Amino acid sequence: AQSVTQLDSQVPVFEEAPVELRCNYSSSVSVYLFWYVQYPNQGLQLLLKYLSGSTLVKGINGFEAEFNKSQTSFHLRKPSVHISDTAEYFCAVRTNYGGSQGNLIFGKGTKLSVKP
Amino acid sequence: NAGVMQNPRHLVRRRGQEARLRCSPMKGHSHVYWYRQLPEEGLKFMVYLQKENIIDESGMPKERFSAEFPKEGPSILRIQQVVRGDSAAYFCASSPRTGGTEAFFGQGTRLTVV
Repeated sequence: AQSVTQLDSQVPVFEEAPVELRCNYSSSVSVYLFWYVQYPNQGLQLLLKYLSGSTLVKGINGFEAEFNKSQTSFHLRKPSVHISDTAEYFCAVRTNYGGSQGNLIFGKGTKLSVKP
Repeated sequence: NAGVMQNPRHLVRRRGQEARLRCSPMKGHSHVYWYRQLPEEGLKFMVYLQKENIIDESGMPKERFSAEFPKEGPSILRIQQVVRGDSAAYFCASSPRTGGTEAFFGQGTRLTVV
């Protein structure tokens, strides 16, 4: 079985500062990795995904994440945040063989609060 | 191309009533997934359906919950005899095929049981 741990439930940061949202996963098999963003009262929007290949993945809105297999981590980073990045961020995994294509396992989320 | 459409966006039900949540997948998508988000929790998988088939319902509560995705029309998540603990946001996602592509999420239905 897979599990996802997001180490910080809330991350406050000042505008234009860098941010890192941490995600660790546990799985006995290879996985696909995803980061989603949820704005208040909205659905989830995909930020980026790691399927294979380069371990540094670039996504929308200036976000990027690095897959580290040895540390089973997939931390999300942005070098300079904006007020509009205030939202909740979810890390998710899925096994990369068979099974349900969309059967994602989510972490509990990290609320990013960007202050002026 | 419209995204995944869920309705209603907000639903209030009294204890003991039935709740019916609808999801229309994106055009061309034949796979639908339902997730539940409880306050301060991440999304929990409930059920995966293809047209006229339930593929994986391992996340569905054993009683009162059912889901369908008929040949024509939206997918329906049905909760019978709702209780206060059913209050949550219910999200639907759709995808075109199995494999490495992501699922696209709707905006959710927020169910409140009073």
